[in-house]
Amino acid sequence: DVKVTQSSRYLVKRTGEKVFLECVQDMDHENMFWYRQDPGLGLRLIYFSYDVKMKEKGDIPEGYSVSREKKERFSLILESASTNQTSMYLCASSPLDRGRVQPQHFGDGTRLSIL
Amino acid sequence: AQSVTQLGSHVSVSEGALVLLRCNYSSSVPPYLFWYVQYPNQGLQLLLKYTTGATLVKGINGFEAEFKKSETSFHLTKPSAHMSDAAEYFCAVSGTGGYQKVTFGTGTKLQVIP
Repeated sequence: DVKVTQSSRYLVKRTGEKVFLECVQDMDHENMFWYRQDPGLGLRLIYFSYDVKMKEKGDIPEGYSVSREKKERFSLILESASTNQTSMYLCASSPLDRGRVQPQHFGDGTRLSIL
Repeated sequence: AQSVTQLGSHVSVSEGALVLLRCNYSSSVPPYLFWYVQYPNQGLQLLLKYTTGATLVKGINGFEAEFKKSETSFHLTKPSAHMSDAAEYFCAVSGTGGYQKVTFGTGTKLQVIP
């Protein structure tokens, strides 16, 4: 069975801290994504990666960075956490298919609180 | 660019009644369309997808959706609601090719009343 694993379900950090959210997939997928989910706003794309060391900004990249050193792992970094980054963060992956768009597989999410 | 609009952030139905969740999309290229479901404290799971071909798409758990190009719609239906269907549902749209970026709607929470 396919699996996307996020390292923490719940995380509490303080403003100004550097925060790392980790995501690992075991499906050998090329594409990986980070979203944040807020009530009434749905899922908003922060960053995505289509290959090792490659990254593209999504719709709301400000205040975030990412790292993809290995194909199976995609990390989201909050450089200096702020209270407005309190949210649910979802990681997803999908296979590369140049002819069609494939569905994404999601992790269970990390609920991050910044105090 | 593509976008998706889900009408109704909350929908309530009685157990056994028809479920209808509305989704309208905008896309400059022939779209790929998806419905996902999210149960409490979980990530999203794929319910069904439309790529090309048959416009009526069947998914898991008795759900189906019909792609109507003339109406730019992809509404999700289920003939008879079950208590276990209570969840949040997201419609999503993507253009062809590229880096497979998907745009999600804001979600509809389905409440099933016993």
